[in-house]
Amino acid sequence: AQRVTQPEKLLSVFKGAPVELKCNYSYSGSPELFWYVQYSRQRLQLLLRHISRESIKGFTADLNKGETSFHLKKPFAQEEDSAMYYCALSTISGGYNKLIFGAGTRLAVHP
Amino acid sequence: GAGVSQSPSNKVTEKGKDVELRCDPISGHTALYWYRQSLGQGLEFLIYFQGNSAPDKSGLPSDRFSAERTGGSVSTLTIQRTQQEDSAVYLCASSLRRTSGGQETQYFGPGTRLLVL
Repeated sequence: AQRVTQPEKLLSVFKGAPVELKCNYSYSGSPELFWYVQYSRQRLQLLLRHISRESIKGFTADLNKGETSFHLKKPFAQEEDSAMYYCALSTISGGYNKLIFGAGTRLAVHP
Repeated sequence: GAGVSQSPSNKVTEKGKDVELRCDPISGHTALYWYRQSLGQGLEFLIYFQGNSAPDKSGLPSDRFSAERTGGSVSTLTIQRTQQEDSAVYLCASSLRRTSGGQETQYFGPGTRLLVL
């Protein structure tokens, strides 16, 4: 079964602390994974994708096929990072890609 | 350019009434997706359009839900005989069609918040 699991509904940290938002996936094919973010009163937007192997706003995520994980990390959290974060898996179905999202983790960064 | 737009932004309706939700994708995006965002449930895939055809309707929760897309652009999601459990935020996204390798980025609209009383 194709599934994305984000075990934490809420992650609460203090400014300057390291952050790790967990994401595990289940997929028999070659996975393509994404992190989407939704800031308060803004629309959902792409944060980063594993193919790009880039750092966005200080966040990085490494695909670990052995552990079927794609955790999102940032060494020093900022208050403006407070948002809802969704991990997503791209799956091939009927010749096209669709995204399967996790339930999301709300990150709250306190001053 | 303009992003994905959705209307109405909020809709309150009575149980049993029909509702129509509209999505205007980014110009030139041939792929269009509908998702439902419920509290604590994440984003649930509903339906996918490529052009005017819908090759994947597997996510529609019941036959009360239907969607169409005309002219390869605007899409309408219709919910008939609404129930309280239909209350959610309905999100639309569009993307360019993937031609080779990799998932094209999906660009999301602001959503329509539906409340069924």
